[in-house]
Amino acid sequence: SQQGEEDPQALSIQEGENATMNCSYKTSINNLQWYRQNSGRGLVHLILIRSNEREKHSGRLRVTLDTSKKSSSLLITASRAADTASYFCATSGTYKYIFGTGTRLKVLA
Amino acid sequence: DVKVTQSSRYLVKRTGEKVFLECVQDMDHENMFWYRQDPGLGLRLIYFSYDVKMKEKGDIPEGYSVSREKKERFSLILESASTNQTSMYLCASSPSGVAGPSYEQYFGPGTRLTVT
Repeated sequence: SQQGEEDPQALSIQEGENATMNCSYKTSINNLQWYRQNSGRGLVHLILIRSNEREKHSGRLRVTLDTSKKSSSLLITASRAADTASYFCATSGTYKYIFGTGTRLKVLA
Repeated sequence: DVKVTQSSRYLVKRTGEKVFLECVQDMDHENMFWYRQDPGLGLRLIYFSYDVKMKEKGDIPEGYSVSREKKERFSLILESASTNQTSMYLCASSPSGVAGPSYEQYFGPGTRLTVT
């Protein structure tokens, strides 16, 4: 079963707006990662946040992690049409990663 | 840059055929993974390998087998393809972590397999 569950399943915004996606998980983790997938392609790693970190930034991306609530959020600021993609969170356990079902983001020009 | 390549982008096979999906990575990563991706189900782990000749079952190994004879190559085998194995197959690799998977995964472009 999938550990990470993203919310919302789909999101449509105007270019320039911020997009926020959430991820909830069930068990303890080593780290949590966010990936982007453009239509019909492989996944691309965006950012990794370790279990002892609370917030991390990378360019227009901001990730938060709340281990007490077992949740994470991904904020994309000043969105662009090129940000249109599916976004997945992945949690890591002993050897493997567990992916959620993803949030489909559409940025309208 | 890390490069993960998959042998085919699109593949059409008939029910009962033996199917080989090949994945090669060029960064000397210890860990390699095979996932399948289906609408509404996200990515599900089929098998993974953390060293040459080593393999571990993932969440949905039934109907699949794998082979890792060389560090850079991880093959997924469908012994007798069935229509419910029609899916997008994604290969990934990552370095090994001291305490589990501490690093990002690098994905190939995917193989869209259709079994008719």
